[in-house]
Amino acid sequence: GNSVTQMEGPVTLSEEAFLTINCTYTATGYPSLFWYVQYPGEGLQLLLKATKADDKGSNKGFEATYRKETTSFHLEKGSVQVSDSAVYFCALSEGKTSYDKVIFGPGTSLSVIP
Amino acid sequence: EAQVTQNPRYLITVTGKKLTVTCSQNMNHEYMSWYRQDPGLGLRQIYYSMNVEVTDKGDVPEGYKVSRKEKRNFPLILESPSPNQTSLYFCASSPRGTNQPQHFGDGTRLSIL
Repeated sequence: GNSVTQMEGPVTLSEEAFLTINCTYTATGYPSLFWYVQYPGEGLQLLLKATKADDKGSNKGFEATYRKETTSFHLEKGSVQVSDSAVYFCALSEGKTSYDKVIFGPGTSLSVIP
Repeated sequence: EAQVTQNPRYLITVTGKKLTVTCSQNMNHEYMSWYRQDPGLGLRQIYYSMNVEVTDKGDVPEGYKVSRKEKRNFPLILESPSPNQTSLYFCASSPRGTNQPQHFGDGTRLSIL
């Protein structure tokens, strides 16, 4: 079955450090891939997405590239801020017409210290 | 303001007492879904609905029921809650299916004693 694997953390970084959160997936066909972010006490918000191979999603300084050859969708940011402290979820959807499930990874907790 | 609204936000109740968590969206979205979030397990899909009167099971549907009589509402029903259903629950919606980003509610924290 489909699955998403991501580093669970927690990850602690100093402000302005480089961030990478690894995400790999297993799926049949050509899934859409997403990164969601959850700030404390809130629901998830879409951070970025990619719908086909080699697409690069980007938002708020975060980037991720859909790599079909390595089945990966790693999240990166060049310089993190304290306000980036949150839990980050990688997710995939096959979006087939017969069913439309979403599979989430376990989430990676990020703490950025001044 | 476009939003997904869940109620209640917090609930402590006892085993076996039926409860309903409401979910409403004001974006005319066709797709709605319920998830539960547990430490170390991330989000797991309970039920989803592609449109009015169309619902289907997610990965962890046991012990839950849903209905979709109107496009905007997608209540989650626990007929006989048990302690293993203690969790943080999220409702989400998207325009048409999960290839499009989902909008999430702020969550409902349920404690079943």
